[in-house]
Amino acid sequence: GNSVTQMEGPVTLSEEAFLTINCTYTATGYPSLFWYVQYPGEGLQLLLKATKADDKGSNKGFEATYRKETTSFHLEKGSVQVSDSAVYFCALSDRGRGSTLGRLYFGRGTQLTVWP
Amino acid sequence: DAMVIQNPRYQVTQFGKPVTLSCSQTLNHNVMYWYQQKSSQAPKLLFHYYDKDFNNEADTPDNFQSRRPNTSFCFLDIRSPGLGDTAMYLCATSGTQGRSSPLHFGNGTRLTVT
Repeated sequence: GNSVTQMEGPVTLSEEAFLTINCTYTATGYPSLFWYVQYPGEGLQLLLKATKADDKGSNKGFEATYRKETTSFHLEKGSVQVSDSAVYFCALSDRGRGSTLGRLYFGRGTQLTVWP
Repeated sequence: DAMVIQNPRYQVTQFGKPVTLSCSQTLNHNVMYWYQQKSSQAPKLLFHYYDKDFNNEADTPDNFQSRRPNTSFCFLDIRSPGLGDTAMYLCATSGTQGRSSPLHFGNGTRLTVT
């Protein structure tokens, strides 16, 4: 079946530190992979995505590369800011057909807190 | 801006008292989803609509129902809420571009059952 495993949080960093949040997946086919971010009191927002092996998704200084050989999609940022404090969810979307198009499987989320 | 809007943002209901949460979208997307997110957990898919075609997840309790009267609106009805139904409820939409199509989420309704 399909599943996503994320590193346990919380992660606490100082401003300008390097961030890595690990994500690995299990899928029966060739999924698309996503990172979503959830700021306090809000819904989830798409941060970045990759649709095939070796694709790199990037946005707002965050990057993640779709690694088929290691079934991973780790999130990285070179220099975090206080405003990056949020919960980050790794997710995959299976092939699906018809009514299951776009169905997402989420990891448990990783809380990131950045201190000034 | 095109968006997904959920109302209300906060809802308090009593144990066993029916409650309805609403979601509207201006994206004209075919697919609408309802997720339940309990504290510090991943969102859990309850059900979704592909146009008018309703798709229930196997482990969604019968207590949870949904209606989609038109493309723009979708409702989540909880017939007899229990204390364990306290959670954030997230509505999301997606187009029909396939598995790479991202979901667009509303800001959620935080439901508290007392």
